[in-house]
Amino acid sequence: EIVLTQSPGTLSLSPGERATLSCRASQSVSSSYLAWYQQKPGQAPRLLIYGASNRATGIPDRFSGRGSGTDFTLTIRRLEPEDFAVYYCQQYGNSRTFGQGTKVEIK
Amino acid sequence: QVQLVQSGAEVKKPGASVKVSCTASGYTFTGYYLHWVRQAPGQGLEWMGWINPNSGGTNFVQKFQGRVTMTRATSISTAYMELSGLRSDDTAVYYCARDRSGLHHDAFDIWGQGTMVTVSS
Repeated sequence: EIVLTQSPGTLSLSPGERATLSCRASQSVSSSYLAWYQQKPGQAPRLLIYGASNRATGIPDRFSGRGSGTDFTLTIRRLEPEDFAVYYCQQYGNSRTFGQGTKVEIK
Repeated sequence: QVQLVQSGAEVKKPGASVKVSCTASGYTFTGYYLHWVRQAPGQGLEWMGWINPNSGGTNFVQKFQGRVTMTRATSISTAYMELSGLRSDDTAVYYCARDRSGLHHDAFDIWGQGTMVTVSS
């Protein structure tokens, strides 16, 4: 099983700041089959990024993903009030696993 | 529009079984794998397994082997997840989610609204 470790656990930032979230895999993720999701309280997760760097339909371009192999990053260029949420990475190349999540909170 | 609608909340006693439904609309049900993901209160996402709505084939995480059954009824575009031998640590929100494309190795682009299952004596 591929274990995904996200860091930091919590990110305290102000609106307008840049957020950088990390996702590290215990072994290489084949074909960059890595996704990022956003989840707000009481809601289902929402797909942001697939294939490590492709924005899903309707996702603003302030969200970007990059990486390959075992190291992946989600960047939110300028935080909007609605971006404060929990973010999960997921690999789908070898079965499916999720990271434990990073909470982006208002500083 | 494309959506997945799940059945309502359930309260079960330890040892009982629960069956959650997930009804698809707005797309060809048999064209996309469906997955089940659960989330315990205050915890992260846990992938449970998938069903191929076309063939009925399934694959589960080892920890659920013997306790989980995933089925589908193509005539009504509905998938089901049944979990037996419920324990208190099965208390969670259960989601169904669709593969983004028909290629199977893909992210989950459509999610159901979630079904809260509470296991309590």
